[in-house]
Amino acid sequence: QSVLTQPPSASGTPGQRVTISCSGSSSNIGRHSVNWYQHLPGTAPKLVIYRNNQRASGVPDRFSGSKSGTSASLAISGLQSEDEADYYCAAWDDSLHGHVFGGGTKLTVL
Amino acid sequence: EVQLVESGGDLVQPGGSLRLSCAASGFTFSNYWMAWVRQTPGKGLEWVANIKQDGRDKNYVDSVKGRFSISRDNAENSLYLQMNRLTAEDTAVYYCARDVDGALDIWGQGTMVTVSS
Repeated sequence: QSVLTQPPSASGTPGQRVTISCSGSSSNIGRHSVNWYQHLPGTAPKLVIYRNNQRASGVPDRFSGSKSGTSASLAISGLQSEDEADYYCAAWDDSLHGHVFGGGTKLTVL
Repeated sequence: EVQLVESGGDLVQPGGSLRLSCAASGFTFSNYWMAWVRQTPGKGLEWVANIKQDGRDKNYVDSVKGRFSISRDNAENSLYLQMNRLTAEDTAVYYCARDVDGALDIWGQGTMVTVSS
């Protein structure tokens, strides 16, 4: 059971907009920035969003992040087949004194 | 080119030890926190530990406290993870990553650790 809760799966057709949610608590998302990672099996994870809503270098502006209270979300507009991957949210947790990841969301482009 | 390259992964028996290494290049290693993250088979990412620039501040996930030790050699641009009393639950791909205010912006390709008899 992950400290940060994400839906296990999400899907969309090319060109659509999809959002992935991440729910936490006052000890993590409520007090700290949220980062989002994209991971393709067999490759190194890639930072896509940092400090809640900042795009990492080289990430297209189709990707955006937001945070409100103890929840955060990642939105991908103009969905493309290359976006099919696992997405993870992460944040520092004061109670655990460490970083925590969400369980990951497998995004499928139909 | 900014790069992290892990090594040291292997098949080890339960109760055994292993030391992972991560060689950094293309950036000033001593200026950054560094971290280890793992992915167990079929599961998600799990943060394992991180270490401050001077090596004096270290944090660990509860499941490895007392068994794993993170360290660094800034003169050699290297990060290490000493893993002792390994169990099957430690079987995973281990990644090293550069930590910038909590955001892991550069990752290595990972090294596989298998704990099995």
